[in-house]
Amino acid sequence: DTGVSQNPRHKITKRGQNVTFRCDPISEHNRLYWYRQTLGQGPEFLTYFQNEAQLEKSRLLSDRFSAERPKGSFSTLEIQRTEQGDSAMYLCASSPAVEAFFGQGTRLTVV
Amino acid sequence: AQKITQTQPGMFVQEKEAVTLDCTYDTSDQSYGLFWYKQPSSGEMIFLIYQGSYDEQNATEGRYSLNFQKARKSANLVISASQLGDSAMYFCAKGGGSYIPTFGRGTSLIVHP
Repeated sequence: DTGVSQNPRHKITKRGQNVTFRCDPISEHNRLYWYRQTLGQGPEFLTYFQNEAQLEKSRLLSDRFSAERPKGSFSTLEIQRTEQGDSAMYLCASSPAVEAFFGQGTRLTVV
Repeated sequence: AQKITQTQPGMFVQEKEAVTLDCTYDTSDQSYGLFWYKQPSSGEMIFLIYQGSYDEQNATEGRYSLNFQKARKSANLVISASQLGDSAMYFCAKGGGSYIPTFGRGTSLIVHP
């Protein structure tokens, strides 16, 4: 399958710990997006990469959040000092130009 | 900030009937795109259909069509001949110049046998 792959699928962590999620986009898609989705809401935009350049960041992306896409291929999203409010589904999507294709997400639970 | 409004939190439809899911948006962009995604209970966002703001004809993809009314800033999704597998959350999204999709809150569709 050559779809967008996210790992891990589920993560349970204690408050205050750091977590890192990985996204492998569809190959040759130069655009990559991270979103966060909580129950009953639509996905909220976090950040956008075109190749390795991080071109846009949402105000939602506090200084505890950082994202990288070092070689313009896979991307990582790190959350430092997790809080219970960080519990959500984290979605990654990639796009060749217009329509975005999503991975299955990483569900984070902070206890 | 761009706003996408989906006024129907939940919709019910009988199998084999058509259903329309509403979406309105707020924009000052001249060029933009409108998207619909389906999210079943498994959680994956599935791309359904895209409409460009300069496209003169409404987009269609199989049983899905997008009723685009630019002056009214609406982009309703029409699903014809509903199937049980269509039960899911449906999200309308708009992308601006950089085409970063901004999503509405979604509509839950339940298809009855």
